[in-house]
Amino acid sequence: SQQGEEDPQALSIQEGENATMNCSYKTSINNLQWYRQNSGRGLVHLILIRSNEREKHSGRLRVTLDTSKKSSSLLITASRAADTASYFCATDAGRGYSTLTFGKGTMLLVSP
Amino acid sequence: KAGVTQTPRYLIKTRGQQVTLSCSPISGHRSVSWYQQTPGQGLQFLFEYFSETQRNKGNFPGRFSGRQFSNSRSEMNVSTLELGDSALYLCASSLGAGGSAEAFFGQGTRLTVV
Repeated sequence: SQQGEEDPQALSIQEGENATMNCSYKTSINNLQWYRQNSGRGLVHLILIRSNEREKHSGRLRVTLDTSKKSSSLLITASRAADTASYFCATDAGRGYSTLTFGKGTMLLVSP
Repeated sequence: KAGVTQTPRYLIKTRGQQVTLSCSPISGHRSVSWYQQTPGQGLQFLFEYFSETQRNKGNFPGRFSGRQFSNSRSEMNVSTLELGDSALYLCASSLGAGGSAEAFFGQGTRLTVV
């Protein structure tokens, strides 16, 4: 079953603009991870944020986590055409094994 | 450092046949997980192996099975294929000790059942 729900389902922006994607989940988590997928290929790991962290940065990416609201957001600043992809959040319940529960993803289109 | 390798990349099978997919994890990673991705259901967890033992299993019928070898390589098998098994099958590897580590994915195997 899907744990996370990304919002919006699709996002279309121009190069140079910022893109914000949100993710909500239902149960308690140990960490939350964001992945990118280009056109039906493998998933690329972007960033992991642990349940005791509130914000994390990696290059042009900024992730926030609000465990009280069971939500996370991914901000991509100064978007490029190469950022066009689907973005997924995945939660790890931390039950001692490596199992991720994914949302349905946000499809981001960045136009030149 | 080599990434996660999945073979084959593409497969076309007939209903009723069986198929075996292979995954070689990143060197040193002991956990291998398998996921099925379809347009309708999205990414769904199949099972996870750690040190040759299945640690967790998703909600899939018994036709889906897997195993892990002593070198951490993993295979998954689907028997009596159905049209609905057409999907992208993704394998992920992680350090796996105690869970809660980044998972690194392969490029996937695109299975088409006709």
